[in-house]
Amino acid sequence: SQKIEQNSEALNIQEGKTATLTCNYTNYSPAYLQWYRQDPGRGPVFLLLIRENEKEKRKERLKVTFDTTLKQSLFHITASQPADSATYLCALDGTGGYNKLIFGAGTRLAVHP
Amino acid sequence: EAEVAQSPRYKITEKSQAVAFWCDPISGHATLYWYRQILGQGPELLVQFQDESVVDDSQLPKDRFSAERLKGVDSTLKIQPAELGDSAMYLCASSLGSELAGNEQFFGPGTRLTVL
Repeated sequence: SQKIEQNSEALNIQEGKTATLTCNYTNYSPAYLQWYRQDPGRGPVFLLLIRENEKEKRKERLKVTFDTTLKQSLFHITASQPADSATYLCALDGTGGYNKLIFGAGTRLAVHP
Repeated sequence: EAEVAQSPRYKITEKSQAVAFWCDPISGHATLYWYRQILGQGPELLVQFQDESVVDDSQLPKDRFSAERLKGVDSTLKIQPAELGDSAMYLCASSLGSELAGNEQFFGPGTRLTVL
């Protein structure tokens, strides 16, 4: 079955540095991958979508890469700020269901001043 | 800015009782999703609607959970009877449901359920 792995340990970085989060998947070849941000006690918020034929996508300080050979996506936040502290979820399109998503467990990012 | 509405925000109930959650998606969104999120895990899809039809309920525990979207707009998720293991955040999301795959999903604030 499809499996998505994200770093279970929290990522702690200093303000101004680049945060890099990893999403690995197995037993599947997704047509696209999405990244969401989730703050404690709130619903996830969509950040970026990248399709299988795209290697890189950027939005302001965010960058996502998608390596279908390695079965991996990297999510970068440059010039990180304490306000970027949150849990970041990776989601892949699921088989069956129309626009169904399979979510990873997420990685918690803490940016320290 | 349009948002997905959910109520209640918090619900405490005793096991064996019935509970119901309500969701009002963003106007014009054809696809509606109900997810369950256990602390420390990602959201898990319970049921997905396209308009008023269920297109995926493979992970819905049908012996105790039910969901409906009668007019293809708002939706209700019910649990009867509730069990201790049902304690979780229940999230509703909606998307345009266009033919373009990969529509972003818009999530509501969730309902935090605690079963005692």
